[in-house]
Amino acid sequence: DIQMTQSPSSLSASVGDRVIITCRASQSISTYLNWYQQKPGKAPKVLIYAASSLQSGVPSRFSGSGSGTDFTLTISSLQPEDFAIYFCQQTYIFPRTFGQGTNLEIK
Amino acid sequence: QIHLVQSGAEVKEPGASVKISCKASGYTFTAYYIHWVRQAPGQGLEWIGFVNPSGGGTNYGQKLQGRLTMTRDMSTSTVYMEVSSLTSEDTAVYYCARDVPLRMVNPGLSYYGMDVWGQGTTVIVS
Repeated sequence: DIQMTQSPSSLSASVGDRVIITCRASQSISTYLNWYQQKPGKAPKVLIYAASSLQSGVPSRFSGSGSGTDFTLTISSLQPEDFAIYFCQQTYIFPRTFGQGTNLEIK
Repeated sequence: QIHLVQSGAEVKEPGASVKISCKASGYTFTAYYIHWVRQAPGQGLEWIGFVNPSGGGTNYGQKLQGRLTMTRDMSTSTVYMEVSSLTSEDTAVYYCARDVPLRMVNPGLSYYGMDVWGQGTTVIVS
């Protein structure tokens, strides 16, 4: 199985900050990488697919980049509603493994 | 409106089985695979497997292989996931999600993502 490793595991930031979350795959996955946001008690929501494509309806302050094994999710200017847990997931091969998550908290 | 509506919470004893349903509405049921993902308390997301609502084909992750059965009922647009021989490690929220091609790479190859999710079903094994 492909192992996905996110860093950091948790992050404290303030409204207006620029935040970067990284995800590393244990082998090359080209750009078959999605990012999901999950709020407490809710199902995940897809933000970014194909490493850098913004899902319809997602604010443009979210962006993704990377290919091969190293990927990033950037939030350009944090808003109050962005405090949540973020997961990366590879869709290159089955099983479609997730990263362990990054808990983005308010500083 | 596209919805996936899951069955309610379950409490099971160790060794029992649980069967969760996921009813689709608002789109052509047979057009997209349904995946299952679970989340243990305070933990991350774990991909479990998928079922093809059209042909019934399945693909299961290794962890639950042998204890997992995914089926579908085309007459009610519902998919089911059954887990047998439950242990405390199966305590989790179970989600179903629709998997769709979000961008085509070339004919026959696309980037996929889970765009619509059920509300989650809590399963407690105790």
